[in-house]
Amino acid sequence: KAGVTQTPRYLIKTRGQQVTLSCSPISGHRSVSWYQQTPGQGLQFLFEYFSETQRNKGNFPGRFSGRQFSNSRSEMNVSTLELGDSALYLCASSLVDRLGNEQFFGPGTRLTVL
Amino acid sequence: AQSVTQPDIHITVSEGASLELRCNYSYGATPYLFWYVQSPGQGLQLLLKYFSGDTLVQGIKGFEAEFKRSQSSFNLRKPSVHWSDAAEYFCAVGPFNTDKLIFGTGTRLQVFP
Repeated sequence: KAGVTQTPRYLIKTRGQQVTLSCSPISGHRSVSWYQQTPGQGLQFLFEYFSETQRNKGNFPGRFSGRQFSNSRSEMNVSTLELGDSALYLCASSLVDRLGNEQFFGPGTRLTVL
Repeated sequence: AQSVTQPDIHITVSEGASLELRCNYSYGATPYLFWYVQSPGQGLQLLLKYFSGDTLVQGIKGFEAEFKRSQSSFNLRKPSVHWSDAAEYFCAVGPFNTDKLIFGTGTRLQVFP
């Protein structure tokens, strides 16, 4: 079974631009979450989508948004990029069943904002 | 406030030595606890998880962790470290049935031959 895939793997943007990152979950997984990883702040939860609905949201400004499609694929968008948005963005998917969630992470998208 | 503390930023051990990585959490409800490992340039891989039941949990790659409610701890252990275990290790806590995990700041493990 294929793992979580994220595209692109690397991205370079300039301040003020916007960016869209894509995540394809493991087949059958209905929940997709996004995390931002930086050296200063560590791993921080961005948002979680389940069945095309945002179920949880972290403490990030409105410039960060996401969505989930009917096939469970997800995208996250960052508008008006700032230098501080440079980070590794990790996507994770989970099955969501009565045994509790086990999240499987993708390799991440490395975003550099110049 | 909900939080996870990993007091050791960097640990160095010799290959073959035993390992214990510390994790303390603060969480209002019954915690769902995880240990993840991240190799350079990679995503996170789940080592083990705890929700209920036996407080000693076995994971992959020979790792185990013990949940101690009285100490709010979930320390990761391995009896004999291999050079391939060099990586960054993250402890995380979250509610049951959602993916909103709170991660610790991580412990970087270095292994000397």
